[in-house]
Amino acid sequence: QPVLTQPPSSSASPGESARLTCTLPSDINVGNYNIYWYQQKPGSPPRYLLYYYSDSHKGQGSGVPSRFSGSKDASANTGILLISGLQSEDEADYYCMIWPSNTLGVFGGGTRLTVL
Amino acid sequence: QVQLVESGGGVVQPGRSLRLSCEGSGFTFSTYAMEWVRQAPGKGLEWVAVISYDGSKKYYTDSVKGRFTISRDNSENTIYLQMNSLRPEDTAVYYCARGGYYSSGIDVWFDPWGQGTLVTVSS
Repeated sequence: QPVLTQPPSSSASPGESARLTCTLPSDINVGNYNIYWYQQKPGSPPRYLLYYYSDSHKGQGSGVPSRFSGSKDASANTGILLISGLQSEDEADYYCMIWPSNTLGVFGGGTRLTVL
Repeated sequence: QVQLVESGGGVVQPGRSLRLSCEGSGFTFSTYAMEWVRQAPGKGLEWVAVISYDGSKKYYTDSVKGRFTISRDNSENTIYLQMNSLRPEDTAVYYCARGGYYSSGIDVWFDPWGQGTLVTVSS
């Protein structure tokens, strides 16, 4: 079962941008996968944010602000969630997910984002 | 509105069984794949199982294969997770989530999620 690596924590100030990463193992090419992103606030279930495959294949969850966007860094084999114009309400845990096979889904360990 | 409500959680001894339920409303239940995801206390999310919209395809994470069974009753708008031979490491909040439309449930997003039901495996 592949491991998706997310930094345990990240922080940024209101109005700034936060760049959250999700690194795939070297035997899985990020270019071949949809990267799904979820947000979870304390005491609440996760919320679907978006998925990103490429600039022409991506999707935003219902009601999710356009300040949340996805991308990939192929050189780092990494999926990226960019949150621009940070607001205090963006403070949460963020999880990435991929489906590395036709029978298995895998989440990353999550990143706790603190809005300073 | 679209809603998912889990039930059936509780405290159970190691080696025993428990069945979770998840009832959906506000959408055509029989046209969506459904998923189970769990979260151990203070830990991250772990995908557990998926069932296709028609129940013909079912997939599981390795750690529960042979012990857990996912099923659905579209006439009751409900999915189930039968959990046998429970272990302490199965202790978690179990969420159900809606998967893809007319889908096997693979390579889809989960939206929405239920509020979860807590399963505690302890002697």
